[in-house]
Amino acid sequence: KAGVTQTPRYLIKTRGQQVTLSCSPISGHRSVSWYQQTPGQGLQFLFEYFSETQRNKGNFPGRFSGRQFSNSRSEMNVSTLELGDSALYLCASSLGRDREKLFFGSGTQLSVL
Amino acid sequence: SQQGEEDPQALSIQEGENATMNCSYKTSINNLQWYRQNSGRGLVHLILIRSNEREKHSGRLRVTLDTSKKSSSLLITASRAADTASYFCATWAGGGSYIPTFGRGTSLIVHP
Repeated sequence: KAGVTQTPRYLIKTRGQQVTLSCSPISGHRSVSWYQQTPGQGLQFLFEYFSETQRNKGNFPGRFSGRQFSNSRSEMNVSTLELGDSALYLCASSLGRDREKLFFGSGTQLSVL
Repeated sequence: SQQGEEDPQALSIQEGENATMNCSYKTSINNLQWYRQNSGRGLVHLILIRSNEREKHSGRLRVTLDTSKKSSSLLITASRAADTASYFCATWAGGGSYIPTFGRGTSLIVHP
């Protein structure tokens, strides 16, 4: 079974631009969650989608948004990029039950210049 | 602040030695999970221990959970250079929460 796939692997943007990251979950998994990882703040929860609906949201500004498609693939968008948005963005998939094991992708390393 | 906090922040040992890292959390939990992350990559699930369990083993891994002290420990026995990675604990607040909180992790270096 293929794992969680995130694209692109690396991304360089400039301040003010917007970016879209993609995540393809493991086949059969209906939940996709997104995380931001930085050296200063650690791993922080962004949001979670289940069956095309945002089920949970972390404490991030509205510039961070996402969506999930009918095939469970998910995209995350960050508008008006700031230097502080530079981070490793990870997505994880699961069946969608509470407090279950998460399967992570390799992440997208975003650098904002 | 983080629900889970690992200790120590960094650990450096020789191959063959045991590595112990700890995790403390603040609220009641349903389960606690440990993950491993190689540099710049995604996290890999290692082991899950439920609140009604006190100890769990998986290969060279041993996890303990003390709900009275709100703490867990991960022991890696007979460490190998390939165990070099960061290790995170993840907890979920009680009552139907789908949002995990990760600690800042313990960075383990195993010297060959």
